[in-house]
Amino acid sequence: KNEVEQSPQNLTAQEGEFITINCSYSVGISALHWLQQHPGGGIVSLFMLSSGKKKHGRLIATINIQEKHSSLHITASHPRDSAVYICAVRRGSQGNLIFGKGTKLSVKP
Amino acid sequence: DTGVSQNPRHKITKRGQNVTFRCDPISEHNRLYWYRQTLGQGPEFLTYFQNEAQLEKSRLLSDRFSAERPKGSFSTLEIQRTEQGDSAMYLCASSLGGLSLYGYTFGSGTRLTVV
Repeated sequence: KNEVEQSPQNLTAQEGEFITINCSYSVGISALHWLQQHPGGGIVSLFMLSSGKKKHGRLIATINIQEKHSSLHITASHPRDSAVYICAVRRGSQGNLIFGKGTKLSVKP
Repeated sequence: DTGVSQNPRHKITKRGQNVTFRCDPISEHNRLYWYRQTLGQGPEFLTYFQNEAQLEKSRLLSDRFSAERPKGSFSTLEIQRTEQGDSAMYLCASSLGGLSLYGYTFGSGTRLTVV
């Protein structure tokens, strides 16, 4: 079993839909990251969380430390949101990240 | 500072050849990480540096792989005697310290194809 599990693996949505991507992890962490990866490989950091909730534009990320679970929500989805969304956790002061396999999101117009 | 820069963007090499990739992190970042990502998978940790010291290496980093960060600035990742299984995207990232309050910045990656 992977230390970081994401669901769903693939997600297709219509433009305007509310989207939720889930991440569960099985190790103790100091922070959780949500990342966006477009075709071609570049990774953009969306959020870094250690507790609670963060919001940036149409994106909302939440984390429940006790349940070892995080969610990424996209409101009013748009075709330009189409990408792979990756959850990654950081353990203690090591600094390196353990990644989930990613969720491939496709938003249709 | 334009972020984390990786060169080359793409590399095609014949099996058995040596290849070297370069990563230039954000200048004030003291930590530099290398990850490898194969198709359909999330990135996997290879190694990281704090300044010029290589602090951790993954078991994925076989003896054909070597990484350096000689002056605590840019880093190189060399793969000797490449194999087809080395084909992947090699990602570099940097951060200021290892504490959770500091975020990560990723480069665009070097895509290696071994033929």
